Amino acid sequence: QKEVEQNSGPLSVPEGAIASLNCTYSDRVSQSFFWYRQYSGKSPELIMSIYSNGDKEDGRFTAQLNKASQYVSLLIRDSQPSDSATYLCAVSLSGNTPLVFGKGTRLSVIA
Amino acid sequence: DTGVSQDPRHKITKRGQNVTFRCDPISEHNRLYWYRQTLGQGPEFLTYFQNEAQLEKSRLLSDRFSAERPKGSFSTLEIQRTEQGDSAMYLCASSFAGEYEQYFGPGTRLTVT
Repeated sequence: QKEVEQNSGPLSVPEGAIASLNCTYSDRVSQSFFWYRQYSGKSPELIMSIYSNGDKEDGRFTAQLNKASQYVSLLIRDSQPSDSATYLCAVSLSGNTPLVFGKGTRLSVIA
Repeated sequence: DTGVSQDPRHKITKRGQNVTFRCDPISEHNRLYWYRQTLGQGPEFLTYFQNEAQLEKSRLLSDRFSAERPKGSFSTLEIQRTEQGDSAMYLCASSFAGEYEQYFGPGTRLTVT
């Protein structure tokens, strides 16, 4: 059974710090990896996608992928209180096949 | 707004009643997905379509659940004889076949009393 594991948190960081969120997945042949942000009571919002090993940066966000270790991470630089949300890691086998989600990590940025 | 839309946003129903939800994907997105999310969990896949063809159904989807996308545009998800365990957020997402990112609608929150 395909599994995606995340630490549920809460992860608390001070404003301006770097938040580091981690995710591991069980299916070695997974090809596509995504991070979604979900505010309480709202639907998931796509913030990053990554498909090849290494780092991908977009503004304050950096996604890191290591397929050999089956590990994906998300770094949020200069964390803001508005970043406080649950971050969901999602994995798919290939292309646009259904996503398998972790339970999410709750991030709290303290002003 | 050209995002994914879902209707209704909230539904309260009594156990045993049937409910139907609608999802309108982003224009020109030919893949449409249904997920269900309960409190403290990540979304769980239910079923998905490419155009009007239903490509896969999760084992989570009991016989009481049915989905269709008759003209390859909007989709409906029906739950018959609702049970309290059906209470959840039902999420719809869409993607373009040539791209991998899935974009979610606002969801329909179902409460079965």
